[in-house]
Amino acid sequence: DGGITQSPKYLFRKEGQNVTLSCEQNLNHDAMYWYRQDPGQGLRLIYYSQIVNDFQKGDIAEGYSVSREKKESFPLTVTSAQKNPTAFYLCASSASPGNEQFFGPGTRLTVL
Amino acid sequence: AQSVTQLDSHVSVSEGTPVLLRCNYSSSYSPSLFWYVQHPNKGLQLLLKYTSAATLVKGINGFEAEFKKSETSFHLTKPSAHMSDAAEYFCVVKAAYNQGGKLIFGQGTELSVKP
Repeated sequence: DGGITQSPKYLFRKEGQNVTLSCEQNLNHDAMYWYRQDPGQGLRLIYYSQIVNDFQKGDIAEGYSVSREKKESFPLTVTSAQKNPTAFYLCASSASPGNEQFFGPGTRLTVL
Repeated sequence: AQSVTQLDSHVSVSEGTPVLLRCNYSSSYSPSLFWYVQHPNKGLQLLLKYTSAATLVKGINGFEAEFKKSETSFHLTKPSAHMSDAAEYFCVVKAAYNQGGKLIFGQGTELSVKP
């Protein structure tokens, strides 16, 4: 089946630790995105990548980092610099920038 | 700049009655608009999209939306609610062409369906 997978589904982290969230797609999409969702709020864009080996900051990039070494993969690292990392993280992809985005099932990160 | 406003944070309907979820948009050019649905602890699923073709857009699961430029609205409707429609709904506008396909999300409307 074609789609987007995110792992793990639930993730717990101690304060001060970096953690990496996985996002993989087999849709052959060029563009990939990371969003953060907090209760009662819409999604906010963290980082996006329009093509392999290129990415740009979104609206709330501070405390996060990404890489795009392969077309199908766009991992997100939540660093210890992110002051309030507990949230639901969603990865998305689109065939090209501007087309509709398809979303993964999400990773819920909790900082203990 | 593009933006969307969802006028209701929560809507409650009875099963079998019509659904109306309201969305107003702001855009400096002809917008691309979307409605997404999110069930609890799940990713988002595209319901429908408007990209300057027909103003009445039909989506999945019996939903449709009408683009009204004069009212800057893109309300989502369904003639008869089903229990499985209970979820969070997001109205979304695509940002300007030079922003990498960025989507701008409304705050969401939670739809409850009573038996």
